[in-house]
Amino acid sequence: ILNVEQSPQSLHVQEGDSTNFTCSFPSSNFYALHWYRWETAKSPEALFVMTLNGDEKKKGRISATLNTKEGYSYLYIKGSQPEDSATYLCAFCGGDGNKLVFGAGTILRVKS
Amino acid sequence: NAGVTQTPKFQVLKTGQSMTLQCAQDMNHEYMSWYRQDPGMGLRLIHYSVGAGITDQGEVPNGYNVSRSTTEDFPLRLLSAAPSQTSVYFCASSRTGVAEAFFGQGTRLTVV
Repeated sequence: ILNVEQSPQSLHVQEGDSTNFTCSFPSSNFYALHWYRWETAKSPEALFVMTLNGDEKKKGRISATLNTKEGYSYLYIKGSQPEDSATYLCAFCGGDGNKLVFGAGTILRVKS
Repeated sequence: NAGVTQTPKFQVLKTGQSMTLQCAQDMNHEYMSWYRQDPGMGLRLIHYSVGAGITDQGEVPNGYNVSRSTTEDFPLRLLSAAPSQTSVYFCASSRTGVAEAFFGQGTRLTVV
């Protein structure tokens, strides 16, 4: 069973703070690393899909980096807003490239 | 576009009953999968399919059956419900195994 770890488990920040989360995954048989945003009472929605070592992706105030050799990815949120409150999931695609293994997620709460 | 449609949204079963969770997608995606979400454990893969007529087991397949007779549909069958199957179930589809996954709205199942 592949192990995907996310830290921290939860995070409470003030509006305007910048924050970052970590996703650790196996460094062998890498196909892709996904980040999803999951709001309460909704379904997970993809933020980024990264496939190459050194990839950096950005969408508005959210960005992500990827290091496949050491098996980690960082998600950054600049100037957090209350609407950023959600659970952020990472998912590793490895092995035969047909399955996603999800981490347990990081719960972010942004106070105004 | 409807995307990924799951039914029902809520279901209560008695121990030993059987039922089928329906999942349909209209994006012509080859890959479909079923996950269960339990507190503190993230999304765990139950079964997946890489195309019509092809299915395979994920991390937690026991007690569940799937079939994929068409590209659009991927039903999940609970053969004899047990309280341990109380969970939120998500169906997802993607263009390939590596591409971003699109999720249904989830089914909250309670087995009493």
